[in-house]
Formats: sequence, structure tokens, C-alpha cells
Amino acid sequence: ELKVEQNPLFLSMQEGKNYTIYCNYSTTSDRLYWYRQDPGKSLESLFVLLSNGAVKQEGRLMASLDTKARLSTLHITAAVHDLSATYFCAVDFGGADGLTFGKGTHLIIQP
Amino acid sequence: NAGVTQTPKFQVLKTGQSMTLQCAQDMNHEYMSWYRQDPGMGLRLIHYSVGAGITDQGEVPNGYNVSRSTTEDFPLRLLSAAPSQTSVYFCASRLAGEEGRAEQYFGPGTRLTVT
Repeated sequence: ELKVEQNPLFLSMQEGKNYTIYCNYSTTSDRLYWYRQDPGKSLESLFVLLSNGAVKQEGRLMASLDTKARLSTLHITAAVHDLSATYFCAVDFGGADGLTFGKGTHLIIQP
Repeated sequence: NAGVTQTPKFQVLKTGQSMTLQCAQDMNHEYMSWYRQDPGMGLRLIHYSVGAGITDQGEVPNGYNVSRSTTEDFPLRLLSAAPSQTSVYFCASRLAGEEGRAEQYFGPGTRLTVT
């Protein structure tokens, strides 16, 4: 069964702190995506990781992929309130049948 | 480019009614798909298409029909709506092949309530 698990599912943190969201998946893939979703909005693409060891950074967010461990992380550095959102990881397990999504991490950053 | 467009944005149906959710893209993408998003469930694939005339089922296809008569359009039909189909529906598209896997484009979503 193709599964993607995120943790934590809910995270409340203070501004200025660092934290990491984890994304584990069930079988081999080297294509992993991170999305941000604000309430009532569509998905905004943050990172596309297409190889083992891939690391991408944008502002206070950094994503990495370890295909051997079937693990991706999304690290938040010195969080600010504007990063409050729900973050999804999604995996392309190959074939034509789309992406398998995690359940999302609802992130609240308090001033 | 308008990207991926969806209509309507909001819809309320009564149980048993039928309707079609529209999705269109102007990027000449071969691959199009429909997802539903329920609270606490992430997005789940309903149906997808790899090109005009070709469709296939995803993870949760029951209660939905699709067709792909043109490259641009991929409508999702609910033949007899049920309260369990209350959800937010997203359409997505991308180019086929390895190049296309680098980026998926999502539409703005349709919020459907079935009473």
C-alpha cells in the first residue's frame, strides 16, 4: 500500500523558534513535493525534490530528501507569524496515478 | 496563461441531484487529475487522464465519472450526489513524462456541500 505519513499533524510554536516537519513514505520514490495551503485557498508549491540528497531552501524554509530512509524534512528557521499555514508533503510513486498526499501539518506560529 | 481554472467556486446540492464540476487548462498539459480534500485526510486522487480520450480511476472513484474529449477540459460528474461527497475538489494538470513530474499545477478549488 502506498502511504505517506506526516508528523506532527498539528504544531503550535512561538516566533523565533526552529522546528522540523517530517514526512515518511512507504515505498521507493525519488520525487517528493512540499505544498503550503492557507485557509480556503489552493495549494502553493514550495519545493520539488527529485533526487536522493536533494536540499532546497527558500527564505526560512528548507526541505531535504533521503530516499534510502524514505524520509523528507521541512525545516523552519526562526519562525514568523506569516508562515502559519497547513503544509503537505506528497509523493509521486511512479506510474500515471498522481500524487499520494500526507494528511498535512497545521502550523500555528504565535507572536 | 490562465493556468488551471475551475468552476463553480462554491456549490450546494441536495442529495440525489447531479452536477458537473468544470476544469480547464490552457498550458497544453497532457496529464490532468481530480482530487478531493476532506478535513484531516489530505488530498485523495479521484480520477486522472493521461491524454484526450484516456481516463482511469484513482484512489476514491466511486460516485464520480469523468471524460476527456479535449486536451484542455476535464470535467468531473456527480451523477447522484450524496452527503459523503461534501468536500473541496481540486483539479491539477502537468506535462506528461519526466519533465512534467517536476511541477503540478493546481486549480483554485470547488467547495461542494451536499445536504
